[in-house]
Amino acid sequence: GESVGLHLPTLSVQEGDNSIINCAYSNSASDYFIWYKQESGKGPQFIIDIRSNMDKRQGQRVTVLLNKTVKHLSLQIAATQPGDSAVYFCAESPLSRGAQKLVFGQGTRLTINP
Amino acid sequence: NAGVTQTPKFQVLKTGQSMTLQCAQDMNHEYMSWYRQDPGMGLRLIHYSVGAGITDQGEVPNGYNVSRSTTEDFPLRLLSAAPSQTSVYFCASSYSSTNEKLFFGSGTQLSVL
Repeated sequence: GESVGLHLPTLSVQEGDNSIINCAYSNSASDYFIWYKQESGKGPQFIIDIRSNMDKRQGQRVTVLLNKTVKHLSLQIAATQPGDSAVYFCAESPLSRGAQKLVFGQGTRLTINP
Repeated sequence: NAGVTQTPKFQVLKTGQSMTLQCAQDMNHEYMSWYRQDPGMGLRLIHYSVGAGITDQGEVPNGYNVSRSTTEDFPLRLLSAAPSQTSVYFCASSYSSTNEKLFFGSGTQLSVL
């Protein structure tokens, strides 16, 4: 079956360092990938997305890398700040399904040490 | 522009009770969906709608009903609540039904005793 998983459930980094959150997916038909940030007590907030015709996309302080060969997705956060502390979810959706049905991973909790 | 609005924020039910979780969006989004989030798990899709009058089942639809009479509203109904439905529920919407970023509401925390 299809699943989206994360290599590490928790990640602790020093403030100012770069963070890398990894995600593995199993459905080779997945065409669209997205990262969300969820702070305690809030709904998921969109960070960045990427389609399968790209292998890298950059946003403000964030970069998403897609490796379709090994079905791997990563989120890089530059110069991590205390406000980056949250749970990060990756999600994937196969275009062949028509209507969007995002499948979410379990999440990685990112903790920033001062 | 309020985005996606969910009510209530918290709810406690007894087993067998019914209730409706409300969801409204003011972005004229075509696609709306409901997810549940359980501890240690990602979000799981319950039901979704690609437009007014059209709904379909997601990954975990049992015990839930939905309807989409208007573009703006997408209520989720629990007909007979069970303890297994204790969860945090999120409504989300996107401009189109094909692989667009979802905008989430702030969630409803539901406890079924």
